[in-house]
Amino acid sequence: AQKVTQAQTEISVVEKEDVTLDCVYETRDTTYYLFWYKQPPSGELVFLIRRNSFDEQNEISGRYSWNFQKSTSSFNFTITASQVVDSAVYFCALRLNQAGTALIFGKGTTLSVSS
Amino acid sequence: EAGVTQFPSHSVIEKGQTVTLRCDPISGHDNLYWYRRVMGKEIKFLLHFVKESKQDESGMPNNRFLAERTGGTYSTLKVQPAELEDSGVYFCASSVERAGELFFGEGSRLTVL
Repeated sequence: AQKVTQAQTEISVVEKEDVTLDCVYETRDTTYYLFWYKQPPSGELVFLIRRNSFDEQNEISGRYSWNFQKSTSSFNFTITASQVVDSAVYFCALRLNQAGTALIFGKGTTLSVSS
Repeated sequence: EAGVTQFPSHSVIEKGQTVTLRCDPISGHDNLYWYRRVMGKEIKFLLHFVKESKQDESGMPNNRFLAERTGGTYSTLKVQPAELEDSGVYFCASSVERAGELFFGEGSRLTVL
């Protein structure tokens, strides 16, 4: 069965701290895609990144970085020098290549950044 | 360019009533998806349209839910009759390609009393 686990329900940090959001996935497929979405207070889900299962290179985009490790089935997300505007719910998701296009989401991690 | 828009943003109805949610995808996006998040749980897939055709409706919970996309533009999701467990946030998303990036709307929050 396919599953995405975000074990951290809520995280609170102070501005400028680094924070890592964990994501562990389960699938027996060899081809799949992993995603991170951000849900700010306004409600919409904002796409952050997509990774395919054959590309284990870590990625950095500004203050955001992602660590994909197939050996541990993890796709963790780190925010460096967090800011108040980073406060949101963050969702990790999995999509299988052969099972259509449905995203399988984790339960989300609520990040609160205080000043 | 306008993003995915959903209406209403919040609907409060009583058990047994009917509610229709609407989604306007990004212009030119043939693929349209409905997802739902029940309080405290994962966001779950409901169905996928390609133009006006239902490509995958494996996530629809039961026959009280009816989704349409006449003309391949906007889509509606009707819940009739609504039950308490239908409360949650209903998200719509669209994409250009079947496996492409999904653009989500702000969601429609449904509260069934």
